[in-house]
Amino acid sequence: DTGVSQDPRHKITKRGQNVTFRCDPISEHNRLYWYRQTLGQGPEFLTYFQNEAQLEKSRLLSDRFSAERPKGSFSTLEIQRTEQGDSAMYLCATMPGRMNTEAFFGQGTRLTVV
Amino acid sequence: AQKITQTQPGMFVQEKEAVTLDCTYDTSDPSYGLFWYKQPSSGEMIFLIYQGSYDQQNATEGRYSLNFQKARKSANLVISASQLGDSAMYFCAMRGNLGGFKTIFGAGTRLFVKA
Repeated sequence: DTGVSQDPRHKITKRGQNVTFRCDPISEHNRLYWYRQTLGQGPEFLTYFQNEAQLEKSRLLSDRFSAERPKGSFSTLEIQRTEQGDSAMYLCATMPGRMNTEAFFGQGTRLTVV
Repeated sequence: AQKITQTQPGMFVQEKEAVTLDCTYDTSDPSYGLFWYKQPSSGEMIFLIYQGSYDQQNATEGRYSLNFQKARKSANLVISASQLGDSAMYFCAMRGNLGGFKTIFGAGTRLFVKA
């Protein structure tokens, strides 16, 4: 297992369409996080899972956003009825249960809503 | 609430010189970790260095060192002997025991290394 994998790398969609992104974590990492990053800004926390349980959601995560992590393995992030303001890089990060270790990031999915 | 502040939107440094990137933080968590990540134009987040709040010594990793001043709540990154490949965005980040181990990030500093 070489790292966190995200698919697709790029997505262009029309406003109003639904999109789904996938994150495959490092296999022994039980914690999985989704972040959104807009140009020139730092990543903003969206939500996180410990195994299959979604334990926290940011207020940034409107009701058009939903995330799942069935069986505590891969995770999906779905955006319904996309808006131009959803255009951003969506990053997935995973880590084991220890506090004193870095989060490992995937290469992100860049979403452009036209 | 936790907060990270990076007050330098952009920094310039001459190749082979040292540069300090500033970071201050705020947290009520008694135990926390501080991180620096590098993000080149390709977009991946590259982990550079970690400092635990109870670590007695400042962290070092090769050309990177973290100047940790707990009383001032600052965690500045020092890059020695800058190289052209160091040109990138640099993010200071923090994680505490409270709040699910989520990492929060500052707004970043863009570093330009001049030849």
